[in-house]
Amino acid sequence: EADIYQTPRYLVIGTGKKITLECSQTMGHDKMYWYQQDPGMELHLIHYSYGVNSTEKGDLSSESTVSRIRTEHFPLTLESARPSHTSQYLCASSDSTGASGRAGTDTQYFGPGTRLTVL
Amino acid sequence: QKEVEQNSGPLSVPEGAIASLNCTYSDRVSQSFFWYRQYSGKSPELIMSIYSNGDKEDGRFTAQLNKASQYVSLLIRDSQPSDSATYLCAVKDVYGGFKTIFGAGTRLFVKA
Repeated sequence: EADIYQTPRYLVIGTGKKITLECSQTMGHDKMYWYQQDPGMELHLIHYSYGVNSTEKGDLSSESTVSRIRTEHFPLTLESARPSHTSQYLCASSDSTGASGRAGTDTQYFGPGTRLTVL
Repeated sequence: QKEVEQNSGPLSVPEGAIASLNCTYSDRVSQSFFWYRQYSGKSPELIMSIYSNGDKEDGRFTAQLNKASQYVSLLIRDSQPSDSATYLCAVKDVYGGFKTIFGAGTRLFVKA
């Protein structure tokens, strides 16, 4: 059973507001990811991290930023929300080293997602 | 050319039939392959992973990998309406910084 959490689950916010989507995992995984997914559409990788103080932009251009100060925590921040940011945001983590006790297969475990609506 | 290709579907099969989902990938040195299931409005969840050529069975699911032909497939035997979902193929990309690349997914409908 994967232990990865996202808060809030649902967020409705006005244009121009700053928001932070939280993601935490208790599995000791080294890698973490943020995906954006519109209903019925494919996953788009927007940020990823290979470990503490390591973050990279993904394949989809995004106006968001991330940080990885602790292994278990990978928040995503939008400085100024716009209606075009309305989407589902999925956080995931994986273990590439085997340090979590499982073989380092890099299987990704997903959180429940945050559905963001910007009015 | 997309690195992981899947037929978007929808694939419709009657209850009890075998559903066959296919995926091709472009990176010849990819080593890890995954099938995820995603129900509408939910997050993807891992069904199976496969790393070696051949078949891997888990209950009603069988993953098949052919590295020479660069394809991986998922067979679902005795399909049930509860199997109706989008199935995502994912490939660990060695040269792309070891990122996992997801396909766009195949929508499966199992008719009761």
